[in-house]
Amino acid sequence: SYELSQPSSVSVSPGQTAIITCSGDILTKKYTRWFQQKPGQAPVVLIYKDTERPSGIPERFSGSSSGATVTLTISGAQVEDEADYYCYTAADNIRVFGTGTKVTVL
Amino acid sequence: EEQLVESGGGVVRPGGSLRLSCAASGFTFENYGMTWVRQAPGKGLEWVAGINWNGGSPGYADSVKGRFTISRDNAKNSLYLQMNTLRSEDTALYHCHLSTVTSVGVYDVWGQGTMVVVSS
Repeated sequence: SYELSQPSSVSVSPGQTAIITCSGDILTKKYTRWFQQKPGQAPVVLIYKDTERPSGIPERFSGSSSGATVTLTISGAQVEDEADYYCYTAADNIRVFGTGTKVTVL
Repeated sequence: EEQLVESGGGVVRPGGSLRLSCAASGFTFENYGMTWVRQAPGKGLEWVAGINWNGGSPGYADSVKGRFTISRDNAKNSLYLQMNTLRSEDTALYHCHLSTVTSVGVYDVWGQGTMVVVSS
């Protein structure tokens, strides 16, 4: 089985930059997606193929990759970005979510 | 509009069984692999099981392997999860999920989930 590790929490002031990392050996071979989940809502995909942003996702969300670590950056965090964030990857017939990061904007 | 609607959740005793269903609409169901994802109360997302477009290559999380079985009926646009030998740690909101990268972007659809409570 595969594991993806994320920090449990990240705090950022409004307008500042939040950085969320996701680490796992499988990431050297597979692309990652990032999901945002707000309380009581289904997750929303923010980033796919490590760095691509779907239409409708604000430009302040960006992704990068280096070796076994991928990073989600929120540039100029907004109060509405307070949520849980999960990385996700697929390998053969297996999928795995990261452990999740709670982002607090205050 | 694409839609996934889960059903079949409920309260069951440890060791019991449940069968979850997911009805798909608004897209060509038979073209896509599908997965089940669960979220225990106050916990993170956990991938449970996946199946490819034609019902082949099922995959399972280690936590459910040997107890859960994923299947689909493309004629009925439906996905299923048979859950046997349920444990308290299987208590969660179970989502049906489609997520695939296409030539024009990412196609990602979630159901709102069906709650499973395993308790004596």
